[in-house]
Amino acid sequence: GENVEQHPSTLSVQEGDSAVIKCTYSDSASNYFPWYKQELGKRPQLIIDIRSNVGEKKDQRIAVTLNKTAKHFSLHITETQPEDSAVYFCAASKTNAGKSTFGDGTTLTVKP
Amino acid sequence: KAGVTQTPRYLIKTRGQQVTLSCSPISGHRSVSWYQQTPGQGLQFLFEYFSETQRNKGNFPGRFSGRQFSNSRSEMNVSTLELGDSALYLCASSPDPNIHNEQFFGPGTRLTVL
Repeated sequence: GENVEQHPSTLSVQEGDSAVIKCTYSDSASNYFPWYKQELGKRPQLIIDIRSNVGEKKDQRIAVTLNKTAKHFSLHITETQPEDSAVYFCAASKTNAGKSTFGDGTTLTVKP
Repeated sequence: KAGVTQTPRYLIKTRGQQVTLSCSPISGHRSVSWYQQTPGQGLQFLFEYFSETQRNKGNFPGRFSGRQFSNSRSEMNVSTLELGDSALYLCASSPDPNIHNEQFFGPGTRLTVL
């Protein structure tokens, strides 16, 4: 089955700096890669996603890149703000699968 | 549209009991997936239902079961509860996984087994 590894497990940055979280996946058939943000005590919220026919996607301060050959994808957050502090999860899934395999999460702390 | 809802939000049970959790997907969504979230294990896939049929199942013992109704609402049941079943149980709905993979999560049910 699919295996997703996520690094780092914790990340601390100064406000205004950039943050990068990386994930690798094992199943070459996976074609959808979402990123979720989970604040303490709240549900995971989809913040950005990318499909396997696209190499990069950007939404304001957030971007995701995908390297299908190497089977890895990354989340980039620029100009970080204290409200970006949360746990971020990457995931991988296939069309028709109805399930996502999640990474173990990265706790991002943005220091003011 | 209203988001995914889950009831109850909190549950306290004792070992050996059973529990039923409920999930109402976003209107029009036909797929419901269930995940167990624990601090040490992250988000682990339990099962997925689509059109009242279980299509996918994760690596959980048979004590974990579920079903989906004709209105797409889903329930999961855990029998003979163990201490290790204490976790946040999240459901997620998706419009049609044959076309879109986006999943939208509910707030979760926090289960504590004493």
